[in-house]
Amino acid sequence: AQKVTQAQTEISVVEKEDVTLDCVYETRDTTYYLFWYKQPPSGELVFLIRRNSFDEQNEISGRYSWNFQKSTSSFNFTITASQVVDSAVYFCALWADYKLSFGAGTTVTVRA
Amino acid sequence: EAGVVQSPRYKIIEKKQPVAFWCNPISGHNTLYWYLQNLGQGPELLIRYENEEAVDDSQLPKDRFSAERLKGVDSTLKIQPAELGDSAVYLCASSIDGRGLNTGELFFGEGSRLTVL
Repeated sequence: AQKVTQAQTEISVVEKEDVTLDCVYETRDTTYYLFWYKQPPSGELVFLIRRNSFDEQNEISGRYSWNFQKSTSSFNFTITASQVVDSAVYFCALWADYKLSFGAGTTVTVRA
Repeated sequence: EAGVVQSPRYKIIEKKQPVAFWCNPISGHNTLYWYLQNLGQGPELLIRYENEEAVDDSQLPKDRFSAERLKGVDSTLKIQPAELGDSAVYLCASSIDGRGLNTGELFFGEGSRLTVL
């Protein structure tokens, strides 16, 4: 069975601060994908990033970066120089065995 | 390109009434998913279709929930009768992968928000 844990329920920051979201996952599969999705108030889940289990290289994409560590089963996500428009619920998700399993989400509030 | 389309966006019903949600996936996407999202929680899979076949319905409460995807394109999720605890957002998603091509990139609709009074 797959499990995704997001320990942070809510994070509030002032604009331009960096925000790091934690994610820990469990799976017995050796091949899997990890995702971060954003859910703004409109409700639609927006795909942000994807990483496969064989690639632990950490990257930066614009203001987004991620830290994938297989040894600790963690897939943390950072928003650099946060903006008010980044306010949303962020979900970490694990794809394995044809299923996408989500964490409970972290609500990010960016104050002007 | 049109995204995943769901209707209705909002539905308010009294308990014990039936309700149905419709989903039209992205053209060419053979895999379709229905997810349930309770307030303050992440989405949970209800059922997954590959074409017209329900390949995973293990999480679907079959006593009151049913789903169909007769022609392998759009899909309907039904609840009969609805209970207070069914108040939630029902999300539909689609993907082009399936058996043999498995990258997990799902495209989600805006969801159908159900309120049961």
